[in-house]
Amino acid sequence: GENVEQHPSTLSVQEGDSAVIKCTYSDSASNYFPWYKQELGKRPQLIIDIRSNVGEKKDQRIAVTLNKTAKHFSLHITETQPEDSAVYFCAANLAGNYQLIWGAGTKLIIKP
Amino acid sequence: EAQVTQNPRYLITVTGKKLTVTCSQNMNHEYMSWYRQDPGLGLRQIYYSMNVEVTDKGDVPEGYKVSRKEKRNFPLILESPSPNQTSLYFCASSFLRGTWQYFGPGTRLTVT
Repeated sequence: GENVEQHPSTLSVQEGDSAVIKCTYSDSASNYFPWYKQELGKRPQLIIDIRSNVGEKKDQRIAVTLNKTAKHFSLHITETQPEDSAVYFCAANLAGNYQLIWGAGTKLIIKP
Repeated sequence: EAQVTQNPRYLITVTGKKLTVTCSQNMNHEYMSWYRQDPGLGLRQIYYSMNVEVTDKGDVPEGYKVSRKEKRNFPLILESPSPNQTSLYFCASSFLRGTWQYFGPGTRLTVT
């Protein structure tokens, strides 16, 4: 079945710098890739997603890129701010499936 | 305001005492799901529902029951809770199959 690996498990960046979190998936049939942000003690929030017919998607300071050949997708956060500190989860879904396959999460720390 | 609500938010109970965690969404979403979140294990799906009276098992359904008698409600039932069900529980809903757009605020359950 599908497997999603997420790296790094912890990422510490200086405020204002960029952060990149990478996920790889195993099943080439996967076609939907969402990213969730979970602040400490809060619920997961869907922040951005991408489908396999698109190579890149942007929303203000966040962007997601997808490389279908290499089977990996990445979350890019530019001009990081203290409120970006959170755990970020990637996930993958097979077309028609009801279940997401989740990555293990990346704890992003923004240093002042 | 579009939202998913859960009750109770916190619950401490004893082994074997039946309990129900309620989940309600006001967005007329067809798809609803229950997850549990444990340190080091990420988000694991318990059950999901595709519509009224249609439910299916997720990755960790043992010890849990669900029902979907109305579109807006998806309660999680623990008939005989055990300490290994101590966890943080999230309800989620979506109008799209294969993703979870909104999560509830979470229910922290402790079984002693």
